[in-house]
Amino acid sequence: DADVTQTPRNRITKTGKRIMLECSQTKGHDRMYWYRQDPGLGLRLIYYSFDVKDINKGEISDGYSVSRQAQAKFSLSLESAIPNQTALYFCATCRGTSGRNEQFFGPGTRLTVL
Amino acid sequence: GESVGLHLPTLSVQEGDNSIINCAYSNSASDYFIWYKQESGKGPQFIIDIRSNMDKRQGQRVTVLLNKTVKHLSLQIAATQPGDSAVYFCAENMNTGNQFYFGTGTSLTVIP
Repeated sequence: DADVTQTPRNRITKTGKRIMLECSQTKGHDRMYWYRQDPGLGLRLIYYSFDVKDINKGEISDGYSVSRQAQAKFSLSLESAIPNQTALYFCATCRGTSGRNEQFFGPGTRLTVL
Repeated sequence: GESVGLHLPTLSVQEGDNSIINCAYSNSASDYFIWYKQESGKGPQFIIDIRSNMDKRQGQRVTVLLNKTVKHLSLQIAATQPGDSAVYFCAENMNTGNQFYFGTGTSLTVIP
């Protein structure tokens, strides 16, 4: 079973619609992250959370919001989707203790905003 | 924001040859670096990491070299195999590990 899952895997929506992307993890990690990936730009951080009561903006948070409902769940919302939010979105988790701070990524959600 | 860039966006190598993928970073305060591999349709996967108190680290068929003087990181893959074909990203991190900054990626193609 996958440790980090994302739903949906693919979504096509229209400009102005509200969209929620879900992420769940079974790794027991405290830290969770949302990234978007665009061709030629690599991964850019949208939001991150270190525990249920902690939410932090990343590099490109405008137009997005998040909710950390539980340690295992971190959702990303686009309140009013626009075409330049068309991208591949990844959720990631990290143990966050000293030592290896490897991030474990989900399979991604491909979002298209028409 | 930080700048993490790769010298070459694409790289083609013959099966069995060694591959070298390069990465430049701009923040001298970065003290932890990771190389990720991303296969088509999948999320990035950890390959190897290195801390700034080291200049070389070896894994299975992979070696990461860190040159802090010129802020350069490289990933060497020995005896490259078709299964190594993917996009490779470097990522840098400072101190507490709050945020990672990713490079744009290098696409490696292995020619059978």
